[in-house]
Amino acid sequence: RKEVEQDPGPFNVPEGATVAFNCTYSNSASQSFFWYRQDCRKEPKLLMSVYSSGNEDGRFTAQLNRASQYISLLIRDSKLSDSATYLCVVNTQYGNKLVFGAGTILRVKS
Amino acid sequence: EAGVVQSPRYKIIEKKQPVAFWCNPISGHNTLYWYRQNLGQGPELLIRYENEEAVDDSQLPKDRFSAERLKGVDSTLKIQPAELGDSAVYLCASSLDGRGGNTEAFFGQGTRLTVV
Repeated sequence: RKEVEQDPGPFNVPEGATVAFNCTYSNSASQSFFWYRQDCRKEPKLLMSVYSSGNEDGRFTAQLNRASQYISLLIRDSKLSDSATYLCVVNTQYGNKLVFGAGTILRVKS
Repeated sequence: EAGVVQSPRYKIIEKKQPVAFWCNPISGHNTLYWYRQNLGQGPELLIRYENEEAVDDSQLPKDRFSAERLKGVDSTLKIQPAELGDSAVYLCASSLDGRGGNTEAFFGQGTRLTVV
């Protein structure tokens, strides 16, 4: 079983739609969690950290469920510019051991 | 402030040849990572440094891959000899000393390696 698993998609949605991605992780001792965004042929960039209480940044909402070992990302009012690959990242031990999922592809269409 | 700088951006080599990648992390970042990313996959960790110490190299194919981080700043990753399966994007990232922390990793633009 992979340490971090994501549905690869692609998710094809119209502009304005709400879309949600889930990610599961296997190590119950994982310390911190992130969503990164990666555009085609570009490097990954941090989208947002994921906190136990859940957090929101504009149209983006991230949530963590430690009991079920999954994190989620909700995107409201999708824009064309949201089209990218969304990578779930888990810090699996004390210190910076960052493990990436394979990514979920989002395509927003007009 | 400059981000993580990697060179070269692209490299095409014949199999069995050596190749080296260079990374300059963000100033003040103690943690440096080398990742490999294959098409359609997420980045996979090869090696992680805390200052000049390699603290996690369990995923580094040590028969052909080597890395160093002299003086805890710049780093090089070397493959010798390269194989066809080594074709991938090699990403360097750095972060502040995140032991126990929740720090962001910043990535360079990567080196796209093609082995022919």
